[in-house]
Amino acid sequence: NAGVTQTPKFQVLKTGQSMTLQCAQDMNHEYMSWYRQDPGMGLRLIHYSVGAGITDQGEVPNGYNVSRSTTEDFPLRLLSAAPSQTSVYFCASSYSRRARAFFGQGTRLTVV
Amino acid sequence: SQQGEEDPQALSIQEGENATMNCSYKTSINNLQWYRQNSGRGLVHLILIRSNEREKHSGRLRVTLDTSKKSSSLLITASRAADTASYFCATDEGSSASKIIFGSGTRLSIRP
Repeated sequence: NAGVTQTPKFQVLKTGQSMTLQCAQDMNHEYMSWYRQDPGMGLRLIHYSVGAGITDQGEVPNGYNVSRSTTEDFPLRLLSAAPSQTSVYFCASSYSRRARAFFGQGTRLTVV
Repeated sequence: SQQGEEDPQALSIQEGENATMNCSYKTSINNLQWYRQNSGRGLVHLILIRSNEREKHSGRLRVTLDTSKKSSSLLITASRAADTASYFCATDEGSSASKIIFGSGTRLSIRP
């Protein structure tokens, strides 16, 4: 089973560039979310989705967009990368918002 | 602001000893979860405890929940070197219960 797959694993961007972090799950989970983790810190919620076509903001949504056109995919878009967005990004999915979450292996993003 | 806060931030114990980590949260919850993260990896789910439960066991793990104090504890008994990791609690915000918010984590080191 693939579980939650994130691509790419590593990325370096220049300030002002845009990019999309991909997240796909093959467990037919309704709930998906994106977190960022800065060094020595916990995870902060960026955006989440409770089902296809439905997204909402988390704790730190500024500078990021998401869409959920299918149950499987939940891409995260950086509109204009800034050094403050240097972080490790994790995608997670769960059967419901009250169930255990499965995490991808993360995308390590550096903005220079 | 983060919903859950772990205490202590870091803990170093001898192999074979028990490790106890605490989590405090701010609003009412439906459930509380504990996750483990090995260095640089994605999070792995350990245990979920519902708001109407007071204690739960899974192997060497014991989790307690005190909703009156808005706190939870994770006990790892007979620690092993492989338990070295960061441990996070996660709660659903009471108002909408759609956001799963993580604490800042406890870094556990097991000395041989």
